[in-house]
Amino acid sequence: DGGITQSPKYLFRKEGQNVTLSCEQNLNHDAMYWYRQDPGQGLRLIYYSQIVNDFQKGDIAEGYSVSREKKESFPLTVTSAQKNPTAFYLCASSMVSGPRFDTQYFGPGTRLTVL
Amino acid sequence: GQSLEQPSEVTAVEGAIVQINCTYQTSGFYGLSWYQQHDGGAPTFLSYNALDGLEETGRFSSFLSRSDSYGYLLLQELQMKDSASYFCAVRDLAAGNKLTFGGGTRVLVKP
Repeated sequence: DGGITQSPKYLFRKEGQNVTLSCEQNLNHDAMYWYRQDPGQGLRLIYYSQIVNDFQKGDIAEGYSVSREKKESFPLTVTSAQKNPTAFYLCASSMVSGPRFDTQYFGPGTRLTVL
Repeated sequence: GQSLEQPSEVTAVEGAIVQINCTYQTSGFYGLSWYQQHDGGAPTFLSYNALDGLEETGRFSSFLSRSDSYGYLLLQELQMKDSASYFCAVRDLAAGNKLTFGGGTRVLVKP
């Protein structure tokens, strides 16, 4: 089955630590995205990538970093510079052209809690 | 920048019809999408409008009026499983071809 996997499902971090969230897709999509969702809120874009070895900042990139070394993988690092990292993190992917390019497919999410 | 407005919450009974409105402001509008998210779950794609008019997909329909910068999602024959949050999202070609999501409308279906 094609899809997007994220790991871990739950993650606990101590203040001052960097953590990396994994996102892998086997849908052969060129574009991948990271969103942050706070309770009762919408999705805010952190970073996105439309091609390997290239990525752009979204609306709330400060305190986060990404890499896109492989088409299938788009890991997100939450650094100690992110002041309020407790949130639900969602990874998504999509095509970049064609009739369905506007549809984003989401992974199950990682719930990060800072202790 | 882009902004989207949708109601925060709607309550209805099983079998009823619910309309969720979405108004948007963008500089390079390309299309309006709708996503459903159950509590604790991932958003799933429901519908997409690039042109004016109505798109029907089973019990759900979506409408767009580009001249009014307005769209809505219509949920018919409501079922308990439709209790979820619904997000509208716009793609703005002038903003790096990314999706911007609204704050979401929580729909509560009562027996």
